[in-house]
Amino acid sequence: EAGVAQSPRYKIIEKRQSVAFWCNPISGHATLYWYQQILGQGPKLLIQFQNNGVVDDSQLPKDRFSAERLKGVDSTLKIQPAKLEDSAVYLCASSPPQNTEAFFGQGTRLTVV
Amino acid sequence: GESVGLHLPTLSVQEGDNSIINCAYSNSASDYFIWYKQESGKGPQFIIDIRSNMDKRQGQRVTVLLNKTVKHLSLQIAATQPGDSAVYFCADNNAGGTSYGKLTFGQGTILTVHP
Repeated sequence: EAGVAQSPRYKIIEKRQSVAFWCNPISGHATLYWYQQILGQGPKLLIQFQNNGVVDDSQLPKDRFSAERLKGVDSTLKIQPAKLEDSAVYLCASSPPQNTEAFFGQGTRLTVV
Repeated sequence: GESVGLHLPTLSVQEGDNSIINCAYSNSASDYFIWYKQESGKGPQFIIDIRSNMDKRQGQRVTVLLNKTVKHLSLQIAATQPGDSAVYFCADNNAGGTSYGKLTFGQGTILTVHP
């Protein structure tokens, strides 16, 4: 079974620029999560989707972050404009319909300079 | 607010020893806990989980213990191997037993296994 796919693996941008990350969850997984992992810390949930609907985005900084999952499969997370403190690994995870454990992708490492 | 934390940030052991990684949680309503392993450059990988109606759960070379009285859980790894070197996170599922990927992670413990 293919895992959660994320791209790009690495991204370096200047502050105030925009960036987008892409996630393709495991086939058939209805629930998709985006996490932010700052160096030396545990992942922090940003947003949860159920199919193409947002379940929880309470921890998403909506002034600069946005995410969508238009067809209930792939998802994109965007930051506009980026700040230095956005430097982190952005992890995507998905869970099957019976809502068992979440499976994580390898993440996208973002460096804002 | 709810938090999940770890006692020690680093743990260094010899190959073949048993490892114990500890975690404290603050939300007495937490009812589901998961241990994840994260290797360098990879996403977290599920190791084992435990529900609040259990005190102990065993997997292959791993055991999780839950003490609800003091709000503490631990991960025991038997016969630790160099491949076990990674960061270990405990996480709390704070969705009332649903949405098992909706997690609050602790800071993590770096486990280093010396040959």
